[in-house]
Amino acid sequence: ETGVTQSPTHLIKTRGQQVTLRCSSQSGHNTVSWYQQALGQGPQFIFQYYREEENGRGNFPPRFSGLQFPNYSSELNVNALELDDSALYLCASSRFLSGANVLTFGAGSRLTVL
Amino acid sequence: SQQGEEDPQALSIQEGENATMNCSYKTSINNLQWYRQNSGRGLVHLILIRSNEREKHSGRLRVTLDTSKKSSSLLITASRAADTASYFCATDGGTSGSRLTFGEGTQLTVNP
Repeated sequence: ETGVTQSPTHLIKTRGQQVTLRCSSQSGHNTVSWYQQALGQGPQFIFQYYREEENGRGNFPPRFSGLQFPNYSSELNVNALELDDSALYLCASSRFLSGANVLTFGAGSRLTVL
Repeated sequence: SQQGEEDPQALSIQEGENATMNCSYKTSINNLQWYRQNSGRGLVHLILIRSNEREKHSGRLRVTLDTSKKSSSLLITASRAADTASYFCATDGGTSGSRLTFGEGTQLTVNP
């Protein structure tokens, strides 16, 4: 179903801690984006990386940061975790299809903050 | 509220029936996409319709787009139990990047 892999699949942290989520994007896809999906909601755009540079950011505070590596894999880091950060974090790589960017999502990392 | 709001929030039908989901959005778009998500897993791209298209088909899926009303609909014909999932529309806000704005989704349940 997907060429995007994410790790870990589940994790539990406590308020104030830091977390790093990882993503290996699909071969040949040089753009990666991260989305946060709270329970019962649609995904919300966090940011996008292209050629190792942040290239677009949603309405998320600076404690959400990321990296993209030369092999197009990526990390999402969240500092000073808050209870509201509990969500499914989705990584997606994009391909250009019919004049549009179509996203291929990973299965997500479910973060619970206690 | 998010651009790309789906209606209804939840839909329950019997196998073999058709399912129609609607989506409204607020800004201009280059294209609109529909994605499917099975119980909290990753989303899967279903179909894309460009702003200059009015209708598109893919297998049992039919998508319509009305840019004057800023709305789209997804029709799944002859539904199957395996179609049970959440369905989201996503718009690009007129940009060319991979930043999509998703609605809150329609939870479709197809009963055998």
